[in-house]
Amino acid sequence: GESVGLHLPTLSVQEGDNSIINCAYSNSASDYFIWYKQESGKGPQFIIDIRSNMDKRQGQRVTVLLNKTVKHLSLQIAATQPGDSAVYFCAEGISGSARQLTFGSGTQLTVLP
Amino acid sequence: DAGITQSPRHKVTETGTPVTLRCHQTENHRYMYWYRQDPGHGLRLIHYSYGVKDTDKGEVSDGYSVSRSKTEDFLLTLESATSSQTSVYFCATSDEGNQPQHFGDGTRLSIL
Repeated sequence: GESVGLHLPTLSVQEGDNSIINCAYSNSASDYFIWYKQESGKGPQFIIDIRSNMDKRQGQRVTVLLNKTVKHLSLQIAATQPGDSAVYFCAEGISGSARQLTFGSGTQLTVLP
Repeated sequence: DAGITQSPRHKVTETGTPVTLRCHQTENHRYMYWYRQDPGHGLRLIHYSYGVKDTDKGEVSDGYSVSRSKTEDFLLTLESATSSQTSVYFCATSDEGNQPQHFGDGTRLSIL
């Protein structure tokens, strides 16, 4: 999972396996959650979002799970590919409030051949 | 992507000099944001704008000012740069406050 510190948590997976990246969020009032992917030298790229009235949402090869009871969010990537290697981080926010995305520090995903 | 262009992409300058970073968007998004990204930290909000000439502070606004005279442009100014402002700066935009923010590719700023 994510933590604040000098070194990012890392996850290494074999190509073709599924990846699960975890995120603990802090604000029980947050009702909007986003996963971003950031490749080296690039800006964060939106992957998928979920609102608190859902506990699961699926996209193309990705699934986000939300557990509001324990304030936990996870991103599942199916059939992980080399192009999935990047830093992944979650963000939490409150609907209708413009300023409020709070970002985690991220997890480095490395896909092994 | 939201058509966000940041300039310059890289800049090296000296302590005490003024620096202005520019963010330009082509999507007509209402909200624009400036963040900084440092090792060991998530993205931290510096300032944001919710319309032309409407701006507000984020969590790390000291030493920074912003201006938004047109929908498409959001400027970040360091009036007198300090070494602690060495960072990667990202601009983001969103159509509404509860929609995903989309990011530019960043400006790497080094202050010597």
